[in-house]
Amino acid sequence: DTEVTQTPKHLVMGMTNKKSLKCEQHMGHRAMYWYKQKAKKPPELMFVYSYEKLSINESVPSRFSPECPNSSLLNLHLHALQPEDSALYLCASSQDPAGRGNEQFFGPGTRLTVL
Amino acid sequence: RKEVEQDPGPFNVPEGATVAFNCTYSNSASQSFFWYRQDCRKEPKLLMSVYSSGNEDGRFTAQLNRASQYISLLIRDSKLSDSATYLCVVNMNTNAGKSTFGDGTTLTVKP
Repeated sequence: DTEVTQTPKHLVMGMTNKKSLKCEQHMGHRAMYWYKQKAKKPPELMFVYSYEKLSINESVPSRFSPECPNSSLLNLHLHALQPEDSALYLCASSQDPAGRGNEQFFGPGTRLTVL
Repeated sequence: RKEVEQDPGPFNVPEGATVAFNCTYSNSASQSFFWYRQDCRKEPKLLMSVYSSGNEDGRFTAQLNRASQYISLLIRDSKLSDSATYLCVVNMNTNAGKSTFGDGTTLTVKP
């Protein structure tokens, strides 16, 4: 299994809703990532989990809350989002955060619209 | 100055053409280099990792010049299916695992 899966594919939510994005990989990778991507821009790093511990938080607002229940799963909990948070949210994984195994493999993303 | 800079593009080339993209990076401690391609409304997909002096995969050749701090991607015999945005990614191989993305170069191959 060489893929990263993400659910849901699309999500529309109001500013008062609470929702979660899910990501899963079964490649034995020990690093997992959340990115946010706006149209015509490169992916923007949000969080990195390394060996199930949060290693990077790129000063992301607290309305985004990551969780790594185990080495295969990564969640992103959303609460009180703003319309400007509408974007493609990408999950990625890599064998190791450092060293030659750090090629990242991306999931298909969740396209989020905040009304 | 951005940490990773790419040719702004867009590149519009005919089928069969050879096209080259350049990417420069500012941190000399950078250790790993990658090219990804991203199709419209899709996720980035790893095209090539670039190690040591570079590598080749079919019509694609990636080169690394550490002295000048740039990497390049050469595409020979362009196909319509090569139309995409090409992202240059640089990693310092620290324990933190942060990769830095260039803004991407858009390629359109026309019949």
